[in-house]
Amino acid sequence: QSVLTQPPSMSAAPGQKVTISCSGSNSNIGKNYISWFQQLPGTAPKLLIYDNDKRPSGIPDRFSGSKSGTSATLGITGLQTGDEADYYCGTWDSSLNAGVFGGGTKLTVL
Amino acid sequence: EVQLVESGGVVVQPGGSLRLSCAVSGFTSYNYNMHWVRQHPGKGLEWVSLIAWGSSTYTYYADSVKGRFTISRDNSENSLYLQMNSLTTEDTGFYYCARVIRPYASSSDGSFDYWGPGNLVTVSS
Repeated sequence: QSVLTQPPSMSAAPGQKVTISCSGSNSNIGKNYISWFQQLPGTAPKLLIYDNDKRPSGIPDRFSGSKSGTSATLGITGLQTGDEADYYCGTWDSSLNAGVFGGGTKLTVL
Repeated sequence: EVQLVESGGVVVQPGGSLRLSCAVSGFTSYNYNMHWVRQHPGKGLEWVSLIAWGSSTYTYYADSVKGRFTISRDNSENSLYLQMNSLTTEDTGFYYCARVIRPYASSSDGSFDYWGPGNLVTVSS
């Protein structure tokens, strides 16, 4: 059971938009910045969003992040087949004094 | 170019010990918080441990490994380590070392911008 809650799977058509949610509590998302990661099969995770809504260099603006209270959202527009991957939210939990991740969302681009 | 490469993953029996290494290049690890994250085969990411930048005074562990795992770093070698003792089958998985995006970060910074390719640890009799 993950500390952060994500939908296990989502699907959308190429060119469409999808939003992936991440729900937590006051001690994690409510208090600290959220990051989002993309993991393609057989590879290490890749940072997509950090500090709630910032993109590292090289990440296209099709990817966006937002946070409100104890929830966060990753948005992906103009879906491409190459976006098929597992997506994870992550942050620090100030009560646990530990890093925490969501259980991951498997995105299928039909 | 920033690179992180894990090594040391093998097949070990339950109750055994193992030390993972993470060789870093392209940056001075002394100035960065460094983490270990693991992933059981076919499962999600699980945060394991953090060692803060600087003289390694501050370390943090997931409850699942506390008292069994020890994170450390050798600043002269620019390397990160994870000593794993009293291993169980639940410790099987890919282990990643990861760096946060900015130097001198707070412990709550979870912006892992560089990851190693991962190293498989198998605990089995």
